[in-house]
Amino acid sequence: QKEVEQNSGPLSVPEGAIASLNCTYSDRVSQSFFWYRQYSGKSPELIMSIYSNGDKEDGRFTAQLNKASQYVSLLIRDSQPSDSATYLCAVIGRGSTLGRLYFGRGTQLTVWP
Amino acid sequence: GAGVSQSPRYKVAKRGQDVALRCDPISGHVSLFWYQQALGQGPEFLTYFQNEAQLDKSGLPSDRFFAERPEGSVSTLKIQRTQQEDSAVYLCASSSSGNEQFFGPGTRLTVL
Repeated sequence: QKEVEQNSGPLSVPEGAIASLNCTYSDRVSQSFFWYRQYSGKSPELIMSIYSNGDKEDGRFTAQLNKASQYVSLLIRDSQPSDSATYLCAVIGRGSTLGRLYFGRGTQLTVWP
Repeated sequence: GAGVSQSPRYKVAKRGQDVALRCDPISGHVSLFWYQQALGQGPEFLTYFQNEAQLDKSGLPSDRFFAERPEGSVSTLKIQRTQQEDSAVYLCASSSSGNEQFFGPGTRLTVL
């Protein structure tokens, strides 16, 4: 099992809908989680970080962490065409790998007008 | 303030050439990371510095890859005798806390 697994999609939603992106992780990584957005041809941009169980909201974005299920998700409310990008789930390593980020393959999201 | 900068943005090398990729982190960030991203994949860790100390280089794929950060600021990733499989985007990230990492624009390396 890889450290971080993402459904690579693609995911397609209409404008105004809720987009739900999911990620699972192994117990070989720590408890610090991040969501990055990557537009085509660009570098990853940090959009959310979450460290404790529950929900964290920032504008239209909500990150959800469930440590018991080793599951982290990102909800995008009122999706806009400008949200169309690849979303990368990332987790900090632990122990000897502390500091490095482990990334999933990313989920490609398309929001159509 | 200024973000992470990388140069060159694009590099084309003939197989067997040496290349050097530069990263200038966000001012004051003590942690610096290099990642490699292949097309359609998430970034893969290469190496990590805290100030000038290279704390983890276990992700470097071969001894042809070498990274340094001699004064704890700018870092250089060097690839010797480039091979076609080295073609990828090389991303640099910096962090003040060791948690949230901020990426530069990347260097796209193409080895012919």
